[in-house]
Amino acid sequence: EVQLVESGGGLVQPGRSLRLSCAASGFPFDDYAMHWVRQAPGKGLEWVSGISWNSGSTGFADSVKGRFTISRDNADNSLYLQMNSLRPEDTALYYCVKDGNKYRYGHFDGWGQGALVIVSS
Amino acid sequence: DIQMTQSPSSLSASVGDRVTITCQASQDITHYLNWYQQKPGKAPKLLIYDASNLETGVPSRFSGSGSGTDFTFTISSLQPEDFATYFCQQFHNLPLTFGGGTKVEIK
Repeated sequence: EVQLVESGGGLVQPGRSLRLSCAASGFPFDDYAMHWVRQAPGKGLEWVSGISWNSGSTGFADSVKGRFTISRDNADNSLYLQMNSLRPEDTALYYCVKDGNKYRYGHFDGWGQGALVIVSS
Repeated sequence: DIQMTQSPSSLSASVGDRVTITCQASQDITHYLNWYQQKPGKAPKLLIYDASNLETGVPSRFSGSGSGTDFTFTISSLQPEDFATYFCQQFHNLPLTFGGGTKVEIK
């Protein structure tokens, strides 16, 4: 069974940084692309970033490009999201998400329970 | 960026009803479309991938169709556990984008 457990969320002041982590288990982590998807309170879903199986390619939403970086450690079955220059509009529940594909981004077939990030002074 | 327009944004239906939700892409995405269900306080769940493929373990009352720019998601006979919010998502281009969601409520 796919298990994705996020950590690292919390309350942070605007302009500061935060790093989210995701511990994956139950599947061969290095066989799949991975993503971060966020959901602001009471709002819809927004794809934030994705990374290919071998970290060879990454992608970002326009809203976070240049501020967020995504990385993974296949030896440790872990996914990360480094968030810099945080803004109040980054406040959301951040989901760690497994892709159903290895070589390209496709469908999201595994989701964590989310890490809440609140950006406020 | 590809915009995904989902309609309606909400609907009220009764158990046993046939429910249809549409999703329109701002450009041709061939069959690169997925559908998700989200219940309150829970993470989304994949129901349909590649426009019409039923995810393993998902009941057959759920179905998807369409290609190009126009897609349809159908629940053939609404069950009590189906009251939730449904989202479409395209993966033809980066950035990956979602529709705004359709909340299915009890009539």
